[in-house]
Amino acid sequence: EDQVTQSPEALRLQEGESSSLNCSYTVSGLRGLFWYRQDPGKGPEFLFTLYSAGEEKEKERLKATLTKKESFLHITAPKPEDSATYLCAVRRRDNFNKFYFGSGTKLNVKP
Amino acid sequence: GAVVSQHPSRVICKSGTSVKIECRSLDFQATTMFWYRQFPKQSLMLMATSNEGSKATYEQGVEKDKFLINHASLTLSTLTVTSAHPEDSSFYICSARGGLPGELFFGEGSRLTVL
Repeated sequence: EDQVTQSPEALRLQEGESSSLNCSYTVSGLRGLFWYRQDPGKGPEFLFTLYSAGEEKEKERLKATLTKKESFLHITAPKPEDSATYLCAVRRRDNFNKFYFGSGTKLNVKP
Repeated sequence: GAVVSQHPSRVICKSGTSVKIECRSLDFQATTMFWYRQFPKQSLMLMATSNEGSKATYEQGVEKDKFLINHASLTLSTLTVTSAHPEDSSFYICSARGGLPGELFFGEGSRLTVL
């Protein structure tokens, strides 16, 4: 069965304290792993797409990496405005429409 | 990036009434839109795929007679929750594909509360 598991469920960091969020997946025929940011009461905001193991993408303080079994979202020197829930999702090669979402990691960055 | 607008953002209704939620792609044409449901502290669950000019494709376990989807134009899809009950209270989010492969743009979401 296809599964996406994110850890930790919640993460509290001090401003400037770097860390990583994990997304492990089991899916047959991966066709993309996606990271989104979701603020409370809002829809998810697209961050990155990764397609193959070894691929990395960066955007400001965020860097996403991908292996054959998991993805990491590294946050370098986070700021309070980085506080949000970070969701990852995977898509299968045989069904481009269906995204399997993890339950997210809620990040709280304290000043 | 592409903008997807959803309306209303919050709605409260009495049990037994029907509620319509609109999802619009503002600066691009979306032949396919998606409707998700999200419970607190849980992941987004795909309810259905809305196809312009044809019937929606529903995920297993989603009642198509309860959640009516209409995609009448390339920029508008609607979700109608019919005869709503308290257990239908949830956060409903629509999305549409962007220009880049795999990109999904989401609306702001609609919080439905059924009393």
